[in-house]
Amino acid sequence: ETGVTQTPRHLVMGMTNKKSLKCEQHLGHNAMYWYKQSAKKPLELMFVYNFKEQTENNSVPSRFSPECPNSSHLFLHLHTLQPEDSALYLCASSGALSTGELFFGEGSRLTVL
Amino acid sequence: AQTVTQSQPEMSVQEAETVTLSCTYDTSENNYYLFWYKQPPSRQMILVIRQEAYKQQNATENRFSVNFQKAAKSFSLKISDSQLGDTAMYFCAFMKHSISFHAGKSTFGDGTTLTVKP
Repeated sequence: ETGVTQTPRHLVMGMTNKKSLKCEQHLGHNAMYWYKQSAKKPLELMFVYNFKEQTENNSVPSRFSPECPNSSHLFLHLHTLQPEDSALYLCASSGALSTGELFFGEGSRLTVL
Repeated sequence: AQTVTQSQPEMSVQEAETVTLSCTYDTSENNYYLFWYKQPPSRQMILVIRQEAYKQQNATENRFSVNFQKAAKSFSLKISDSQLGDTAMYFCAFMKHSISFHAGKSTFGDGTTLTVKP
């Protein structure tokens, strides 16, 4: 049903671990996004990639490292995270003909112990 | 910078009745898009309805319609004949108009949790 797939859906990691979140879109879109969704806070834009090039880094700490090998795949590499980084991480994509509409994945629920 | 405000953190409505969710925004832009997204519990966020700022006519999508007041910078969502499946968090979002193939940045409100009661 979804054109944007995120894995894993749930992730628990310690503060010293290194893990990665993956996002894949099958919609032929040119832009991909990472958003952070925390309880009681609005969606926070983290990174934007357009045609594989990073066009936005919204002052995200370096413990979050994005990677976009092509227009269909987006990764978020995680290392030495803090408990306050626990949140739902949403990937989204958009295309030139979609007049700004974002297509979201189901999200990766991250818990940092 | 743009801001989007949703003043109703939670709302409830009886099944089959009508409910209106409020959204106001602040921008100096003249050409932009406004969106309502729906995020059901544990499911992906999807677009409900979209409005182009240059269009005076309010957008409608089946049971969903908006009241777009550009001068007042207000963009409310009306859900008619509410159904149990409408239970979700609803986000209002703003995006400045961008040229083709440019990745736009959307600004979201805090969201309104809507519960439809049987």
